[in-house]
Amino acid sequence: GNSVTQMEGPVTLSEEAFLTINCTYTATGYPSLFWYVQYPGEGLQLLLKATKADDKGSNKGFEATYRKETTSFHLEKGSVQVSDSAVYFCALMIYNQGGKLIFGQGTELSVKP
Amino acid sequence: DTAVSQTPKYLVTQMGNDKSIKCEQNLGHDTMYWYKQDSKKFLKIMFSYNNKELIINETVPNRFSPKSPDKAHLNLHINSLELGDSAVYFCASGLNTGELFFGEGSRLTVL
Repeated sequence: GNSVTQMEGPVTLSEEAFLTINCTYTATGYPSLFWYVQYPGEGLQLLLKATKADDKGSNKGFEATYRKETTSFHLEKGSVQVSDSAVYFCALMIYNQGGKLIFGQGTELSVKP
Repeated sequence: DTAVSQTPKYLVTQMGNDKSIKCEQNLGHDTMYWYKQDSKKFLKIMFSYNNKELIINETVPNRFSPKSPDKAHLNLHINSLELGDSAVYFCASGLNTGELFFGEGSRLTVL
């Protein structure tokens, strides 16, 4: 079946530290991959996406590269800020399944000043 | 203007009651979704509708009934509420590209 696995949280970092949140997937087809972010008390927002192997998605200093050989889509940021504190969700979608997004379990990030 | 709006934001009710959550989107998307987020933040799709037609119906108890009067609205009605229904319910809309726009969520607490 199709699934997404993320590293367990919470992840606690100091401001300006380097961030990596690991994400691996299992898919029967050719998925598109996404990172969504959920700030406290809000709904999810799309952070970045990649639709095919070797694509790199980037937004707001965050990056993730679609690695087909390792079935991974790790999220990275060079220097985190307190305002990046949120829950991050990795997700995949396979187009022949009615546009269903399958989410990982979420990784909570807390950035301290 | 709020793109995806859902009401109510908070709902506290007794076991056995029936309740509804409403959702409206003004983005012109054809597809709308309901997701359930449990206390550990895990998100699971419940339903999706494309232009008023049911597309996805995951293994959700039939106490949950979605209704889409038009492509801008997708409501969720829940009968005979149980303690395990306590969660945050998110409505979303999108274009079948995986880029979804989520509402702010409706926190349901069943006592």
